[in-house]
Amino acid sequence: QQQVKQSPQSLIVQKGGISIINCAYENTAFDYFPWYQQFPGKGPALLIAIRPDVSEKKEGRFTISFNKSAKQFSLHIMDSQPGDSATYFCAASIGTSGSRLTFGEGTQLTVNP
Amino acid sequence: ETGVTQSPTHLIKTRGQQVTLRCSSQSGHNTVSWYQQALGQGPQFIFQYYREEENGRGNFPPRFSGLQFPNYSSELNVNALELDDSALYLCASGRSGSIYNEQFFGPGTRLTVL
Repeated sequence: QQQVKQSPQSLIVQKGGISIINCAYENTAFDYFPWYQQFPGKGPALLIAIRPDVSEKKEGRFTISFNKSAKQFSLHIMDSQPGDSATYFCAASIGTSGSRLTFGEGTQLTVNP
Repeated sequence: ETGVTQSPTHLIKTRGQQVTLRCSSQSGHNTVSWYQQALGQGPQFIFQYYREEENGRGNFPPRFSGLQFPNYSSELNVNALELDDSALYLCASGRSGSIYNEQFFGPGTRLTVL
């Protein structure tokens, strides 16, 4: 059962533009929502994460927006750069202490110079 | 502080064989999880270890097994390899009791089953 759905599958953005990736979840018990960035041949790297008690979290050029009632969350990359070209995964989990992560299908982001 | 390391980087096996993959957790972490990532897909949770015992398992058959050692390193063992087992196997470590469920991944082991 796919509990986290991610869109779009691929995204092309011009340098300096805003990249937006969306995720929707089904399980209302999820209470931790991280985003991971993965380059070819590498493991996923934690970018930013949010808990449902806040609606937005910003770290540098990366912002997570969270809508608990709609069961949706999104990643915004401001001033996108060619170095941001990678695959991005949203994920969700229940509780603390290293609980299992359920990942979305991934978004291949390409930022053109 | 050292990150999560995995070995080997690449591995080629034939169907029916057995394989052991290894992981060293990030310093200060005491949980380790294993994920399977098929080409073009998101990682799928296999299982997690804490205090040297399995602490949660995903939808994977018993031929996938693991170990966690007192130094928090870990092994993933897969018996009777099938062609569909070809994937990137990722190890992630974390800290039990942490308010934030941060999981840090290693670079992965690319397994090819012929």
